[in-house]
Amino acid sequence: GENVEQHPSTLSVQEGDSAVIKCTYSDSASNYFPWYKQELGKRPQLIIDIRSNVGEKKDQRIAVTLNKTAKHFSLHITETQPEDSAVYFCAASKHTGFQKLVFGTGTRLLVSP
Amino acid sequence: ETGVTQTPRHLVMGMTNKKSLKCEQHLGHNAMYWYKQSAKKPLELMFVYSLEERVENNSVPSRFSPECPNSSHLFLHLHTLQPEDSALYLCASSQDRGSNTQYFGPGTRLTVL
Repeated sequence: GENVEQHPSTLSVQEGDSAVIKCTYSDSASNYFPWYKQELGKRPQLIIDIRSNVGEKKDQRIAVTLNKTAKHFSLHITETQPEDSAVYFCAASKHTGFQKLVFGTGTRLLVSP
Repeated sequence: ETGVTQTPRHLVMGMTNKKSLKCEQHLGHNAMYWYKQSAKKPLELMFVYSLEERVENNSVPSRFSPECPNSSHLFLHLHTLQPEDSALYLCASSQDRGSNTQYFGPGTRLTVL
């Protein structure tokens, strides 16, 4: 089955710096890659996603890139702010009749003022 | 924030108790999911229901018993749990079982004594 690895497990940056979180997946048939943000004590919330027919997607300060050949995808956050501090999860799935998201272990991002 | 609700938000139970977790979605979705979130582990998919039919049972012990009476409600019945079952239990829903985007509830923090 699918296996998703996520790095780093923790990431500390200064406000205004960029942050990059990387994930690799094992199943070449996976075609959907969402990123979720989970603040302390709150639910995971989708922040951006990408499908396998696209190499890059941007939404204001966040972007996701996908390299299908290497089977890895990354989340980029520019001009980080303290409110970006949270745990970020990547996931991968393929359309086989129902969606089974396989999640990474999460990255705790801390943005210091 | 009110699209997917879960009750109770916190639950403490003994190993001999029987309790139930409830999830309700107000998004008109047809697929619902139960996940287990433990510290330092990826989100683990437990069950998937699509149009009230269970389509995934991810090797979950029988002490967890799901029930989906209609497309808006999902229950997780708990009995004779173990301390290692202590975790955050998250419910999610999606438009239909082929839809990628899943929306999460706030979770139930379960502690088994």
